[in-house]
Amino acid sequence: SQQGEEDPQALSIQEGENATMNCSYKTSINNLQWYRQNSGRGLVHLILIRSNEREKHSGRLRVTLDTSKKSSSLLITASRAADTASYFCATDESSGAGSYQLTFGKGTKLSVIP
Amino acid sequence: ETGVTQSPTHLIKTRGQQVTLRCSSQSGHNTVSWYQQALGQGPQFIFQYYREEENGRGNFPPRFSGLQFPNYSSELNVNALELDDSALYLCASSGRDRETAFFGQGTRLTVV
Repeated sequence: SQQGEEDPQALSIQEGENATMNCSYKTSINNLQWYRQNSGRGLVHLILIRSNEREKHSGRLRVTLDTSKKSSSLLITASRAADTASYFCATDESSGAGSYQLTFGKGTKLSVIP
Repeated sequence: ETGVTQSPTHLIKTRGQQVTLRCSSQSGHNTVSWYQQALGQGPQFIFQYYREEENGRGNFPPRFSGLQFPNYSSELNVNALELDDSALYLCASSGRDRETAFFGQGTRLTVV
C-alpha cells in the first residue's frame, strides 16, 4: 500500500525557478526521505529528515517536516534542466530490530524547461 | 553510482514461466530489500533479507521468494509469472544504520 501521497503529480517550471513538492503520510514515522528517479531507473537518495527535525538543507534542497500535519515538502531552488526527474517521498515506520522497509508515494514528475 | 548492481537490466518472459533476478549489494551492507515498481507508481516493498534470513515481507504472494548469500548478494525468484508482474524490480542495500537505502538501477521485467 502507498503511505505517502505527493502533490502535485506533475510540475513543469522554467530553469532558474524554484520547485516545491509536497508529501502527506498517514501513520507515525521514524524518518522521512526524498528520492529522485531518472526515467524509470534506480532511485537516488536525496535527503533524510528525522521525526524530531523540522527542517533540513542539502545544497539546493530544503526539506521541511510537520509531524502534526503528517506532511513534508521538498524545495529545489534555482532549478536546472538536469533536475528533470520523478521525486518520491518515503517513510520509515520500522520498529526495533524488525525489517527496515520504506513506504513510497506515487511521486511528483518534475520537468524543468531550459 | 551506488555500488548496487542488478542483472539483467531487461527481461521478457511468458506468462506461467519462472524468473530469477540478481542483486549485488554495496560493499559492507548486510541488508538487502526488494521493491516492485509498476508503471506510474511508487516502489512497493516485497521483502528484506538480513544476514541470509528473510526479515520482513510486504503484501506479496508466496510465489515471490528470495535468497541472500554469505557475501550478502541476493536473488528474487518469481514463479508462475502473471501479466501484472510486469514492472521494474529494484534492489536496495543498507548498512548498519539501516536508515538509508542505496538502490540499484533495476531490472525491467515484461511478462507477455
